[in-house]
Amino acid sequence: GQNIDQPTEMTATEGAIVQINCTYQTSGFNGLFWYQQHAGEAPTFLSYNVLDGLEEKGRFSSFLSRSKGYSYLLLKELQMKDSASYLCAPSDNTDKLIFGTGTRLQVFP
Amino acid sequence: DTGVSQNPRHKITKRGQNVTFRCDPISEHNRLYWYRQTLGQGPEFLTYFQNEAQLEKSRLLSDRFSAERPKGSFSTLEIQRTEQGDSAMYLCASSPRTGYEQYFGPGTRLTVT
Repeated sequence: GQNIDQPTEMTATEGAIVQINCTYQTSGFNGLFWYQQHAGEAPTFLSYNVLDGLEEKGRFSSFLSRSKGYSYLLLKELQMKDSASYLCAPSDNTDKLIFGTGTRLQVFP
Repeated sequence: DTGVSQNPRHKITKRGQNVTFRCDPISEHNRLYWYRQTLGQGPEFLTYFQNEAQLEKSRLLSDRFSAERPKGSFSTLEIQRTEQGDSAMYLCASSPRTGYEQYFGPGTRLTVT
């Protein structure tokens, strides 16, 4: 079967660092994506990992362990505008994305 | 680069009516995906095109749903005899020939009354 597990909600303060974890099981694997989605808007692409290890892109980093079926998204120097849902989405062997329910992050001043 | 566009942005229809949505992908993106998202959930895959060929359809896509991409450019998603359970955001995404990332359009929000 296919299953994505991430925390439902997280809170953090402005300027802090937050790590959003994701575990997954899919039929085949062709990389893992992280998307940001503000309420009422479409998801926007943040990162893509296909090999084990850490990918860094500005304030955002994403890590993948294929053998453990595990990924995390690390957000540094949090800003109020980072309040959004963060969607972990592995890609299966047909390239479609399998989304979980996402993690709703609230950043407080 | 204008991004993925979708029309209409909002659609309100009465139960039993047919609706059609359009998606224009990013220029030269050969892969196009349709997803559906309900409140509090992540997007769910509906169907996928590579050029004009429809390569996969989800079991979620009942026979009331049909999608086309006639010339390998824009795509349409039609829902016949709409039901209240069809109320959702319908998202389109496109992906380039030489990459894996999917870029989403703004979505069409469907409300069936």
